[in-house]
Amino acid sequence: GQQVMQIPQYQHVQEGEDFTTYCNSSTTLSNIQWYKQRPGGHPVFLIQLVKSGEVKKQKRLTFQFGEAKKNSSLHITATQTTDVGTYFCAGQGQTGANNLFFGTGTRLTVIP
Amino acid sequence: GAVVSQHPSRVICKSGTSVKIECRSLDFQATTMFWYRQFPKQSLMLMATSNEGSKATYEQGVEKDKFLINHASLTLSTLTVTSAHPEDSSFYICSARQTFNQPQHFGDGTRLSIL
Repeated sequence: GQQVMQIPQYQHVQEGEDFTTYCNSSTTLSNIQWYKQRPGGHPVFLIQLVKSGEVKKQKRLTFQFGEAKKNSSLHITATQTTDVGTYFCAGQGQTGANNLFFGTGTRLTVIP
Repeated sequence: GAVVSQHPSRVICKSGTSVKIECRSLDFQATTMFWYRQFPKQSLMLMATSNEGSKATYEQGVEKDKFLINHASLTLSTLTVTSAHPEDSSFYICSARQTFNQPQHFGDGTRLSIL
């Protein structure tokens, strides 16, 4: 079955340092979405990438979708304490699959 | 926009009780709603996909008679955990999507504790 893996599982950074999480799918995706879940909260939609090689930016966050549409990354520049949380990628299959396959998540801790 | 309301936020009840969780899309019509279960520090595990007006599609290993899902309208889906036992204690989250290939918007989740 389809699997979406994320690395690293955990990341501790000093405030101001950069952070990157990587997402890899076992199959080609039609699109990939990124969500952020704060401790005790629910996942909040961040962005959706659809095109091969697509790059999107949201302030300090940069999202990339691989050329083969099987991998993606989220990069945060100069982390802040408000960036704390778990970042999940979620891929949608190409075969008309109805649901998303969530990645294993990367838990980010930012040390002030 | 894209607000999803989930109720209740927390339930504590005795073993054997049935618990009903509601998921509503407040400002859009959701053709599809999803129910997830999340264990502490783990990813979201999809339990079932629910399309308005039709039977839910359950993921492998999820008992449909245990977790009853109803999606009677384009803005409401319910999950009923029947005869709940302590092993059913978990964080249950619903999400709603307007159309295919659009992002899912999540409810606040329900923390279920069975004593």
